Amino acid sequence: DADVTQTPRNRITKTGKRIMLECSQTKGHDRMYWYRQDPGLGLRLIYYSFDVKDINKGEISDGYSVSRQAQAKFSLSLESAIPNQTALYFCATSDSAVGPPYGYTFGSGTRLTVV
Amino acid sequence: AQSVTQLDSHVSVSEGTPVLLRCNYSSSYSPSLFWYVQHPNKGLQLLLKYTSAATLVKGINGFEAEFKKSETSFHLTKPSAHMSDAAEYFCVVSPRSGGSYIPTFGRGTSLIVHP
Repeated sequence: DADVTQTPRNRITKTGKRIMLECSQTKGHDRMYWYRQDPGLGLRLIYYSFDVKDINKGEISDGYSVSRQAQAKFSLSLESAIPNQTALYFCATSDSAVGPPYGYTFGSGTRLTVV
Repeated sequence: AQSVTQLDSHVSVSEGTPVLLRCNYSSSYSPSLFWYVQHPNKGLQLLLKYTSAATLVKGINGFEAEFKKSETSFHLTKPSAHMSDAAEYFCVVSPRSGGSYIPTFGRGTSLIVHP
């Protein structure tokens, strides 16, 4: 099994629908992140969480929300999906216990298409 | 504040010839620097990372990178390209001390390898 698992792998949804992307990890890492990848723009941070009670906005949080249900689970929600949220979404984890520089473990991504 | 600039959006080489992917960075803190690779339809995999030790860092699959503080650069090289090296490569900067250790990704360089 993968260390960081994202579900679903692919999703097509309609404008205005609510959708949740899920991420679970078996690394035992305390820090989790959601990124969005668009061609030519690299990865941009949506939200991050340093522990279960800590949630922080990234550079592009508008239109998104997150929930850290447990140390191992971090979900990303689009409350009302719009076409420009069509992108590849990645979940990542890191372990603060090992100290910097932190390596990041990425999931395989969720390809979301909003029509 | 921190930023990273990947100087080429695409690099095209012939199999067996050297690879050079260029990355410049800026950081208010002492930086950690990483290179990640993304093969088609895959997540990101860590190639190598720079700590405060040796400035020449060796990674997986024959890649290496040199940290040059005076030039604020962290270019990725490989002596001889293989077809399997064709992928998207991301340079990443993160504070090594101070700050929240949130990484900033470059926009990516697509490496094309011709037979």
